Amino acid sequence: EAGVTQFPSHSVIEKGQTVTLRCDPISGHDNLYWYRRVMGKEIKFLLHFVKESKQDESGMPNNRFLAERTGGTYSTLKVQPAELEDSGVYFCASSQRPVRGGTEAFFGQGTRLTVV
Amino acid sequence: ELKVEQNPLFLSMQEGKNYTIYCNYSTTSDRLYWYRQDPGKSLESLFVLLSNGAVKQEGRLMASLDTKARLSTLHITAAVHDLSATYFCAGGAYSGAGSYQLTFGKGTKLSVIP
Repeated sequence: EAGVTQFPSHSVIEKGQTVTLRCDPISGHDNLYWYRRVMGKEIKFLLHFVKESKQDESGMPNNRFLAERTGGTYSTLKVQPAELEDSGVYFCASSQRPVRGGTEAFFGQGTRLTVV
Repeated sequence: ELKVEQNPLFLSMQEGKNYTIYCNYSTTSDRLYWYRQDPGKSLESLFVLLSNGAVKQEGRLMASLDTKARLSTLHITAAVHDLSATYFCAGGAYSGAGSYQLTFGKGTKLSVIP
C-alpha cells in the first residue's frame, strides 16, 4: 500500500512568487493534516481536513496560505506570494479516523521549500 | 497552549553506549508520541504512550511516560549506527476548534559513531 506522498520534494522559488505543494494521502483516509517545520523550530500544525472540509485551520500563518482538498482526495497548499520566512519543510499526514481515536497518523516525507 | 521541549537537540554517541532523550510538556496532554525521521524520509511513528507509567519497548528503544511530571523519555540501549536519525516527541491535545493536533518538540538529532 502506498504511503502518504508529497510533491515536490524540494522547491526553490524567489520571494514574491507562488508555489503549490501537493499531498496525496493514503487511499481511504478521510483525515488529512498539514504541518510545517521552519528551520530550527518545532513542527507546527497548520490545518486539518476531514474529507473536503476544513475542520481546523487555526495554524495557518496568514492569508498568503491557501489549502484545498477538492473531492476529499489529494490536497494542495498554495503560498502566494511567498516570503522568506515561509522557508521550511511542509509535512502532510493522513489518518483513517481522527488521530485521537487511537488511529495512527502517517506522515509524508515532506516538501522542503526554500524562498530566496 | 501545549508546549513541548526536547533535550538535547543534538546528540553524538558511541556505539554500544546508553543514552536518554527527554521530552517535557507544559500542560495536560492527551497522549505522547515519539517519531523517528531519517533524512529525506517521512516521520515514522515509534511509540504512542497513553497513560501515566506507560512503558513501551521496541528493540533498543524504550519510551516511558510520567504524566505527573509531564515528562516522557526515550532511552537508547547499546546504540548502533542504524539508530542515527532525528527523533521527535509530540503531545496530542484538542485545539479550540475541536481538532486533535500534535504539538512537536524541536527534535533530537542523534548520530551514533563507531
